[in-house]
Amino acid sequence: AQTIHQWPVAEIKAVGSPLSLGCTIKGKSSPNLYWYWQATGGTLQQLFYSITVGQVESVVQLNLSASRPKDDQFILSTEKLLLSHSGFYLCAWRGAYEQYFGPGTRLTVL
Amino acid sequence: GEQVEQRPPHLSVPEGDSAVIICTYTDSATAYFYWYKQEPGAGLQLLMSVFSNVDRKEEQGLTVLLNKKDKQLSLNLTAAHPGDSAVYFCASIASSSFSKLVFGQGTSLSVVP
Repeated sequence: AQTIHQWPVAEIKAVGSPLSLGCTIKGKSSPNLYWYWQATGGTLQQLFYSITVGQVESVVQLNLSASRPKDDQFILSTEKLLLSHSGFYLCAWRGAYEQYFGPGTRLTVL
Repeated sequence: GEQVEQRPPHLSVPEGDSAVIICTYTDSATAYFYWYKQEPGAGLQLLMSVFSNVDRKEEQGLTVLLNKKDKQLSLNLTAAHPGDSAVYFCASIASSSFSKLVFGQGTSLSVVP
């Protein structure tokens, strides 16, 4: 069975500080991986997707970047956080036709 | 591109009653439809996926109806119980862009004992 893990569970960061969020999936070879952002009380917006190591497509950047350093790992990062980056970040992987989501990371930028 | 409008934004029903959530989509080339459930502070749980050639699908107390003529997708929770209280999202993928999942705005469902 596939499992998806996100780290950290929650972060509180200062405006202007760097950020790195991670996502790992186990039990699935060469998964398509996705990053989503969800404002508090809002809907989900797709940020990036990756179909293979080293390849990332941007959907909406929001001054963030993503990387796929390993087959089972997807990283979301920025060198300088903005207040608008606060929210809930979700990683997902694609099955045959569906996307399955990780538990998410709650980010608070102060 | 595809847009999905979801209603109502908030829904409160007594325990044992039905709850209906409706989504209207714009792209007639939409290939797949999904319903997700999100509990507070958690990720999204996939409830049901529906291919565009299906009009009706039932699973474990949930009924999804797809009206392609009106471009409407609905989720009916029959005999709702307090454990169903959560935010529900519809989502769709167009066959032209299989990587882009588009979400509705979400419906916050409260089932009152």
